[in-house]
Amino acid sequence: GAVVSQHPSWVICKSGTSVKIECRSLDFQATTMFWYRQFPKQSLMLMATSNEGSKATYEQGVEKDKFLINHASLTLSTLTVTSAHPEDSSFYICSAGLDRNNSPLHFGNGTRLTVT
Amino acid sequence: AQSVTQPDIHITVSEGASLELRCNYSYGATPYLFWYVQSPGQGLQLLLKYFSGDTLVQGIKGFEAEFKRSQSSFNLRKPSVHWSDAAEYFCAVGPGSSNTGKLIFGQGTTLQVKP
Repeated sequence: GAVVSQHPSWVICKSGTSVKIECRSLDFQATTMFWYRQFPKQSLMLMATSNEGSKATYEQGVEKDKFLINHASLTLSTLTVTSAHPEDSSFYICSAGLDRNNSPLHFGNGTRLTVT
Repeated sequence: AQSVTQPDIHITVSEGASLELRCNYSYGATPYLFWYVQSPGQGLQLLLKYFSGDTLVQGIKGFEAEFKRSQSSFNLRKPSVHWSDAAEYFCAVGPGSSNTGKLIFGQGTTLQVKP
């Protein structure tokens, strides 16, 4: 079964509103989680590294005030898309956990965000 | 700069035929290499990964991949494709010995399987 749960799996919101996406590790603790964004028919682009108990590390070009990341516990990271616009419509995927080689363990099933 | 290239955007094969998906990477040191599969609207499932050692890596679902340093390639192969293999396939690279879990993905190859 799934070991990383993302919620919601899809969401439609109006332009200007904020949307929160959750990424949970179900049976393990994850001090590090990663958030990716995937445009239609394109690859995944790393947005940020979420670190439990500290600030997230954002990739170049990703607006930290636009995409708020909170990693308040060892099993939960949240991504909030603030003041969403249609161009924020995308598929957002998280990964949680690192193996002994520091490689991603598990990916969530993703969240499809549509901003109208 | 680090990069991953999957030259084939879309591939169609007949069920039962063999498959090879190409992946080329650009990285200064020996990277960690991965292949993932994504079904429509779903997350990623790891097929296999290479860190070191034997350059021919066996994965799940009958897939294998071969790391060729001289060609900077990590092509994915399967001897006989099943209809359920139709999906999006992503090659990815991690920074090897300084791995932090961050991956760079190729643009993906869509596999269509004909009956």
